[in-house]
Amino acid sequence: AQTVTQSQPEMSVQEAETVTLSCTYDTSESDYYLFWYKQPPSRQMILVIRQEAYKQQNATENRFSVNFQKAAKSFSLKISDSQLGDAAMYFCAYRNTDKLIFGTGTRLQVFP
Amino acid sequence: EAQVTQNPRYLITVTGKKLTVTCSQNMNHEYMSWYRQDPGLGLRQIYYSMNVEVTDKGDVPEGYKVSRKEKRNFPLILESPSPNQTSLYFCASSPGRWNSPLHFGNGTRLTVT
Repeated sequence: AQTVTQSQPEMSVQEAETVTLSCTYDTSESDYYLFWYKQPPSRQMILVIRQEAYKQQNATENRFSVNFQKAAKSFSLKISDSQLGDAAMYFCAYRNTDKLIFGTGTRLQVFP
Repeated sequence: EAQVTQNPRYLITVTGKKLTVTCSQNMNHEYMSWYRQDPGLGLRQIYYSMNVEVTDKGDVPEGYKVSRKEKRNFPLILESPSPNQTSLYFCASSPGRWNSPLHFGNGTRLTVT
């Protein structure tokens, strides 16, 4: 069975600095998709970034980028130039056909 | 506006009293799913549906029912709620292609006393 592990329950970063959130997963499939979702205090689930497993190039979305290491089954999220509005719970997720499996989340605090 | 609408946002009920949480999407998505979110456990899938009249169990289906009679609606039914079903629930949808990210509703905070 596929699993997704986020080993950092909480992280903190100073405003304007860079922070990396880690995520590892386990699967025997070769074709799948990975996602990072953000959940601010409003509890809305917001897509941050996604990565296709067959693409070697790491996805980027403005200040957000991933380090995708397929062989190591690692999918970390880097947030550059952190802003106060980045404070939220971040979930890593794996999708293969009909299942989307989430990690347990990392709560990110941003200090001024 | 494209959206997934869940109702109610908050619900407090007592053990054993049947309830339904509604979910509707206006994007003509084939795939719909229900999740529950609990502290330290992330989001866990309850049920999902690939299309009308097609539903399947997720990882934590016990105590829940769903139906998909129309493409846009996917209600979650708790026939006899228990306190261990106190949780934050999310409905989500996506096109049938599984490379598509999910669109989430705003969540339903359920408390069962």
